[in-house]
Amino acid sequence: SQQGEEDPQALSIQEGENATMNCSYKTSINNLQWYRQNSGRGLVHLILIRSNEREKHSGRLRVTLDTSKKSSSLLITASRAADTASYFCATGNSGNTPLVFGKGTRLSVIA
Amino acid sequence: DAGITQSPRHKVTETGTPVTLRCHQTENHRYMYWYRQDPGHGLRLIHYSYGVKDTDKGEVSDGYSVSRSKTEDFLLTLESATSSQTSVYFCAISDRVGAEETQYFGPGTRLLVL
Repeated sequence: SQQGEEDPQALSIQEGENATMNCSYKTSINNLQWYRQNSGRGLVHLILIRSNEREKHSGRLRVTLDTSKKSSSLLITASRAADTASYFCATGNSGNTPLVFGKGTRLSVIA
Repeated sequence: DAGITQSPRHKVTETGTPVTLRCHQTENHRYMYWYRQDPGHGLRLIHYSYGVKDTDKGEVSDGYSVSRSKTEDFLLTLESATSSQTSVYFCAISDRVGAEETQYFGPGTRLLVL
């Protein structure tokens, strides 16, 4: 069953605005990752945050992790039309079990 | 999508026919995965492989079988396709599982079962 649950399911913003997506999960994790999927394409890894980290940055992406609340957020600053995509969180455990993906948030950035 | 190809990219078939999807990688990664993606369900793991001839079931394995006879190829077979197996199928690879795992995805195969 899916571990991560993204919120909102869909988000529509104007170009230049910030976009925030959230992910909640149920069990303890080793790390949490975010992936992007452009329409008709496979998922692409964006960023990984470990369970002992609270915040991580990569370009216009900022990810936070709150293990006490079992939640993470992905912030995309100064959004562009090219950021239009679906965004998925995935949780990784320390054992030999594969990543578990959430259902995704569809982001539309309107020029 | 570099290093991972899926074939065919599109397929239309009839209920009851067997279908085999192929995933080929040039990265020499140990782990390979098959997912299906459906509206409202996100990405669900069908089967995965942790080495040649070593496979395990995922969340939605019923009606699917897999084989991995070479490191580079992971085959997904629908023995007798049903309309509920209409979906987009993605293959993914990684060089580790669990902690610090990052997956790399193929371009997907759109399957329509009539």
